[in-house]
Amino acid sequence: AQTVTQSQPEMSVQEAETVTLSCTYDTSESNYYLFWYKQPPSRQMILVIRQEAYKQQNATENRFSVNFQKAAKSFSLKISDSQLGDTAMYFCAFMGPQRGGSEKLVFGKGTKLTVNP
Amino acid sequence: DAGITQSPRHKVTETGTPVTLRCHQTENHRYMYWYRQDPGHGLRLIHYSYGVKDTDKGEVSDGYSVSRSKTEDFLLTLESATSSQTSVYFCAISGALGGGETQYFGPGTRLLVL
Repeated sequence: AQTVTQSQPEMSVQEAETVTLSCTYDTSESNYYLFWYKQPPSRQMILVIRQEAYKQQNATENRFSVNFQKAAKSFSLKISDSQLGDTAMYFCAFMGPQRGGSEKLVFGKGTKLTVNP
Repeated sequence: DAGITQSPRHKVTETGTPVTLRCHQTENHRYMYWYRQDPGHGLRLIHYSYGVKDTDKGEVSDGYSVSRSKTEDFLLTLESATSSQTSVYFCAISGALGGGETQYFGPGTRLLVL
């Protein structure tokens, strides 16, 4: 079974600085999908970014980018120019390749990020 | 934002009582999911549905049942609530199962079982 590990339970960063959240995963699949979700204090789960393993180019969404290292099975999230509104729990998640099969989202335990003014 | 609502948003109940949580979507998505979120565990899948009256178990299905009589509604029932089922419950929807399809989440239901 796939597992997702987020080794940093909590992190903090100063406003306007850059922070990187770590995620590693374990799988024997060659193709799969990775996600970062954000959960602010409102508890709403919000998709931040999505990466397809067969794409070598790292995904980017505005101030959010990933560093996807397939061989190392690493999928870190970089937040540039951190804003107070980035304060949230961040979850890394893995999904296997099959469409219509038994592939589900597997979540890490989360990293609580605090952006300080 | 995807049109997903959950009801109730908060509930306090007593051990041994039945509880039903409702997820309603307006996106006409075929696939719906129930997760629970607990400190130190992230989100874990309870049950999912791949169509009307078609459901299957997830990672932590013991003590839960689900039903889906209409595309837009997915119900999660705790037949006899226990304190270990105190949690935050999230519903999610997607247009496909697996294959990298993004899941969109509802606002969550906080359940406290005394």
